[in-house]
Amino acid sequence: AQTVTQSQPEMSVQEAETVTLSCTYDTSESDYYLFWYKQPPSRQMILVIRQEAYKQQNATENRFSVNFQKAAKSFSLKISDSQLGDAAMYFCAYRNPNNAGNMLTFGGGTRLMVKP
Amino acid sequence: EAQVTQNPRYLITVTGKKLTVTCSQNMNHEYMSWYRQDPGLGLRQIYYSMNVEVTDKGDVPEGYKVSRKEKRNFPLILESPSPNQTSLYFCASRTIRAYEQYFGPGTRLTVT
Repeated sequence: AQTVTQSQPEMSVQEAETVTLSCTYDTSESDYYLFWYKQPPSRQMILVIRQEAYKQQNATENRFSVNFQKAAKSFSLKISDSQLGDAAMYFCAYRNPNNAGNMLTFGGGTRLMVKP
Repeated sequence: EAQVTQNPRYLITVTGKKLTVTCSQNMNHEYMSWYRQDPGLGLRQIYYSMNVEVTDKGDVPEGYKVSRKEKRNFPLILESPSPNQTSLYFCASRTIRAYEQYFGPGTRLTVT
């Protein structure tokens, strides 16, 4: 079974600085998707960024970018120019599109605090 | 507006009293699923459905039931709730091949 591990339960960053959230996963598959979700205090799950495993280029969405290391099974999220609104729980997630059920497997989450 | 709705948003109940949490989507998605979120464990899938009348167990199905009689609705049923089912529940939907999954707003359930 696939597992996703987020080793940092909490992180903090100064406003306008850069922070990196770590995620590792375990799979024997070669074709899969990886995601970062943000959960603000409203509890809504918001997709931040996704990466397809077959793509070598790291995904970028404005201030959010990933460092995808397929051989190391690592998928970290970098937030640049941190803003107060970035404070939230962040979840890393994995999905194998070829599995029956096709479910998302989530890590335990990292709580990000942004200091003004 | 494309959305997934859940009701109720908050529920406090007692052990053994049957309850249903409703989930509805207006995007004609084939795939729907239920997750529970617990501190330190992230979200774990309870049940999923690939289409009408097609449902299957996820990682943590014990104590839960689902049904999919209509494409838009996917209710979660707790026949005899217990305190270990106190959690935050999310419904989600997407098309079969889509990357993105749309989540509902969550239901905070407390079983005393």
